[in-house]
Amino acid sequence: DSGVTQTPKHLITATGQRVTLRCSPRSGDLSVYWYQQSLDQGLQFLIQYYNGEERAKGNILERFSAQQFPDLHSELNLSSLELGDSALYFCASSVGQGNTIYFGEGSWLTVV
Amino acid sequence: GQQVMQIPQYQHVQEGEDFTTYCNSSTTLSNIQWYKQRPGGHPVFLIQLVKSGEVKKQKRLTFQFGEAKKNSSLHITATQTTDVGTYFCAGRMIDNNDMRFGAGTRLTVKP
Repeated sequence: DSGVTQTPKHLITATGQRVTLRCSPRSGDLSVYWYQQSLDQGLQFLIQYYNGEERAKGNILERFSAQQFPDLHSELNLSSLELGDSALYFCASSVGQGNTIYFGEGSWLTVV
Repeated sequence: GQQVMQIPQYQHVQEGEDFTTYCNSSTTLSNIQWYKQRPGGHPVFLIQLVKSGEVKKQKRLTFQFGEAKKNSSLHITATQTTDVGTYFCAGRMIDNNDMRFGAGTRLTVKP
């Protein structure tokens, strides 16, 4: 158990819909990362927050947004969902910037 | 943009054979980390290399960081079926501190 908690574990939704994925980082970790992993694909970095502020942005679509709240939990919002958004979405956390990244178990999103 | 390239994408070996995956960055790295993701699982941290030319070993796994701090490798000696999974490198860019993952190398081991 990495200490990073993600909910929901599985989610099935229809095209055009909007979903929110939630992440609680490890206790004491200030950085939260979001990654997308499609079937047989690598880890696509989406976005990183550090202590509530956006720190780095990767290949995140405009239909997607995220935020980190004062209690350091984070949410990833995916809207106007398309079939191609079906993937495993990982949240990860670390103490700071140059530290080990701990991954949650992921949220499986299936868009039908 | 800054990229971390990892090869090969796939590697299939017979149990007992050696395996190596390579990671190359377009820019200098302050450190590099390696992760392993078992099938159906999530990436798990293996090791971090920081110094130029650093070599670290974990049992049958040997990790190297290049002298220029732009490349790294993971070598597994005498693979076992428990080594199956995808190995990712992740480099932290020296200029902006961003971390970038390689695409991963998926290792399959035939008993």
